[in-house]
Amino acid sequence: DVKVTQSSRYLVKRTGEKVFLECVQDMDHENMFWYRQDPGLGLRLIYFSYDVKMKEKGDIPEGYSVSREKKERFSLILESASTNQTSMYLCASSSRDLNGYSNQPQHFGDGTRLSIL
Amino acid sequence: AQSVTQPDIHITVSEGASLELRCNYSYGATPYLFWYVQSPGQGLQLLLKYFSGDTLVQGIKGFEAEFKRSQSSFNLRKPSVHWSDAAEYFCAVGATTDSWGKLQFGAGTQVVVTP
Repeated sequence: DVKVTQSSRYLVKRTGEKVFLECVQDMDHENMFWYRQDPGLGLRLIYFSYDVKMKEKGDIPEGYSVSREKKERFSLILESASTNQTSMYLCASSSRDLNGYSNQPQHFGDGTRLSIL
Repeated sequence: AQSVTQPDIHITVSEGASLELRCNYSYGATPYLFWYVQSPGQGLQLLLKYFSGDTLVQGIKGFEAEFKRSQSSFNLRKPSVHWSDAAEYFCAVGATTDSWGKLQFGAGTQVVVTP
């Protein structure tokens, strides 16, 4: 089974802090994703990565950055945390099929519930 | 760009009754579609997926979904609900032309199961 591990289940930080959320997958997946989940809004894509050191903005990248130095690890960084970034953050990974198409299901971690005070 | 609508925010169903969750998508070509379930405090678990072929797909936990191209729908069904099915359910659509496997998620449907 694919295992996606997020470093913290719950995190409390203060406004202005730099916050790091870590995600590790153990299935050698090429693609990794960061979402935030808010009630009534579903999942919104923040950033994604399709290879080491490669990253692309999602739908709501403002206030966030990411880092992917190793294939298995994808970090989400809140440069200067603000209260409107209080949310559930979900990491996911997916592979490509034998033809190189990225049409495989995404596998999710258990999430990090982040509170910014 | 593709989009997903789950018309029902909240559904209450009695244990043992049937369940149907609606999902409508907007996409110019044939999409690939998923249903995920999220239990409280957990991440999303894949229930089933549709890529092509047979339009009725079977998933885990006794769920099935039917792809109807003419209605742009991918509704999830279960014949007899168990109390453990209480959770939030998300429909997701991916574009066959997307190189990176991005998905668009619906807002979710919360399912409550009563005794």
